Amino acid sequence: KAGVTQTPRYLIKTRGQQVTLSCSPISGHRSVSWYQQTPGQGLQFLFEYFSETQRNKGNFPGRFSGRQFSNSRSEMNVSTLELGDSALYLCASRLSSGGHNEQFFGPGTRLTVL
Amino acid sequence: AQSVAQPEDQVNVAEGNPLTVKCTYSVSGNPYLFWYVQYPNRGLQFLLKYITGDNLVKGSYGFEAEFNKSQTSFHLKKPSALVSDSALYFCAVLNSGYALNFGKGTSLLVTP
Repeated sequence: KAGVTQTPRYLIKTRGQQVTLSCSPISGHRSVSWYQQTPGQGLQFLFEYFSETQRNKGNFPGRFSGRQFSNSRSEMNVSTLELGDSALYLCASRLSSGGHNEQFFGPGTRLTVL
Repeated sequence: AQSVAQPEDQVNVAEGNPLTVKCTYSVSGNPYLFWYVQYPNRGLQFLLKYITGDNLVKGSYGFEAEFNKSQTSFHLKKPSALVSDSALYFCAVLNSGYALNFGKGTSLLVTP
């Protein structure tokens, strides 16, 4: 099976712009989660989607949003970009929303905000 | 709140020697614990998990971890380190919302 894919791999944006990142989960996986990784804050949970519904949300401002499509593919959007949004954004998928299922991560999208 | 701590920023070990990467947890109830590894410019790769059952969990690439309830620890181990094991290792615990709470990571350097 193909792994989790994320596009684009790299992005450069300027402050105030918005950005959309895409994630395709492993075939058959219905749960998609997003994480932000920065040197200062480490890995932080953004949100999880399951069957097109947001199941859980981390402690991020409303500028961060996401959605999931019927084929389980997910997008996350960041509006009004700030310098502090520069990070590696990781998407992870798992078979179901059950806790015992491990999450499989994609390679990430490296976002740089200038 | 469910959390994990990785007390060491970096661990250095010579190739062929055993390695240990430490993780302690703080949870209410029974923990679901995970180890992931990250190579440069890559995402996280799943190594192993503890859900219930045997305290010694075997995972990918020869890694194993020991769950110790009395010491609230879940240390990652490998009997013989390889240079290719050099990477960033993350311990994580599943929180009540089924999201992973990660430790800050431990950089493992294996020298020839």
